[in-house]
Amino acid sequence: AQSVTQLGSHVSVSEGALVLLRCNYSSSVPPYLFWYVQYPNQGLQLLLKYTSAATLVKGINGFEAEFKKSETSFHLTKPSAHMSDAAEYFCAVSKSNDYKLSFGAGTTVTVRA
Amino acid sequence: DSGVTQTPKHLITATGQRVTLRCSPRSGDLSVYWYQQSLDQGLQFLIQYYNGEERAKGNILERFSAQQFPDLHSELNLSSLELGDSALYFCASSVDLGAGPGELFFGEGSRLTVL
Repeated sequence: AQSVTQLGSHVSVSEGALVLLRCNYSSSVPPYLFWYVQYPNQGLQLLLKYTSAATLVKGINGFEAEFKKSETSFHLTKPSAHMSDAAEYFCAVSKSNDYKLSFGAGTTVTVRA
Repeated sequence: DSGVTQTPKHLITATGQRVTLRCSPRSGDLSVYWYQQSLDQGLQFLIQYYNGEERAKGNILERFSAQQFPDLHSELNLSSLELGDSALYFCASSVDLGAGPGELFFGEGSRLTVL
């Protein structure tokens, strides 16, 4: 079964600092990979997705992620954190012929002023 | 606003009871997914329907069932409720046009509390 592992359940960054959220996947075939964000009391919203078109994927709100097959990783970054980035972030994986997603445990980001 | 509507937003009930959660997908989306989010289990895929037919089943208990109606809305039925069923239940919808998994649009969830 496919799965993703998110390293670090909580990340605290200063406003303006780099945000780095780690995600590693286990898959025997090239997967589809996603990052979703969940703001307090809201549903999940897609940040970006990797579907083998390009290894560096740009998403909304200044986030991007790089697919590294050799490291089986899909880490999410944002160069400069904003207070509005405080939320929970989920990495997810899916097979190409399977529409359901398997989510990681999530990483909660807090942004310090 | 994702366009996915879930009702009720909050529900408090007692053990042994039965509840029904309702989901209206985005206009034009044929697939509906149900997920359960709890502190100990995280986000767990329960079941997927596509145009009225069950397409995939995940970690859904036998006490739970779902269906998708001709107008594409879906209902998740939870019966013989236990304390451990307390969770946030999300519905998501997508177009699923056959080009691989696309974006899931999530509702705001139904928070179930079992006392």
